[in-house]
Amino acid sequence: GAGVSQSPSNKVTEKGKDVELRCDPISGHTALYWYRQSLGQGLEFLIYFQGNSAPDKSGLPSDRFSAERTGGSVSTLTIQRTQQEDSAVYLCASSLWGSGAYEQYFGPGTRLTVT
Amino acid sequence: AQSVTQLDSHVSVSEGTPVLLRCNYSSSYSPSLFWYVQHPNKGLQLLLKYTSAATLVKGINGFEAEFKKSETSFHLTKPSAHMSDAAEYFCVVSEGGSNYKLTFGKGTLLTVNP
Repeated sequence: GAGVSQSPSNKVTEKGKDVELRCDPISGHTALYWYRQSLGQGLEFLIYFQGNSAPDKSGLPSDRFSAERTGGSVSTLTIQRTQQEDSAVYLCASSLWGSGAYEQYFGPGTRLTVT
Repeated sequence: AQSVTQLDSHVSVSEGTPVLLRCNYSSSYSPSLFWYVQHPNKGLQLLLKYTSAATLVKGINGFEAEFKKSETSFHLTKPSAHMSDAAEYFCVVSEGGSNYKLTFGKGTLLTVNP
């Protein structure tokens, strides 16, 4: 079946511009997660959604970062007024939800370059 | 708070020899532990997971890991390396009550020499 998809695969933007990154989770997965992978910081948790709600936004690095999820499916991560330190690979994952540790299935990522 | 330390940033082995990737964790609660692999320009793939059942966990492609609470370790092993095992490996922890939030180690790059 189809896995997690992300678009675009690559994005180059100028400093100060806004960007939107999209994630399509696996059908039926109620939980959705965003992570960031950068050379200096490794893989960092950003935010997760249970349905359309985001109970934990603690990983968002600043108020320039926001995310939403609609219809319990597609999610968009928005970065406003991008800075060079925002350059990274942004990974999305999805999973079932309930008791126990469900496997998170990762998408291929969006590589963001801020020039 | 939970954390993971991968003791080696780079491991190099010859094809056909054993692989050992070391991981130590810290967790306030009963942790779940995972190993993920990332091949170049590919997404993260789950190799195996420990969730308080058997302490020796078998995963895909011949990998296994042993949970040792007394040593707070979760080392990944494989008896015989294959060229296709060359990739970056991440040890990951999530705490029992908040298993959604994965904390990743810095990664170990495995090189397999012919």
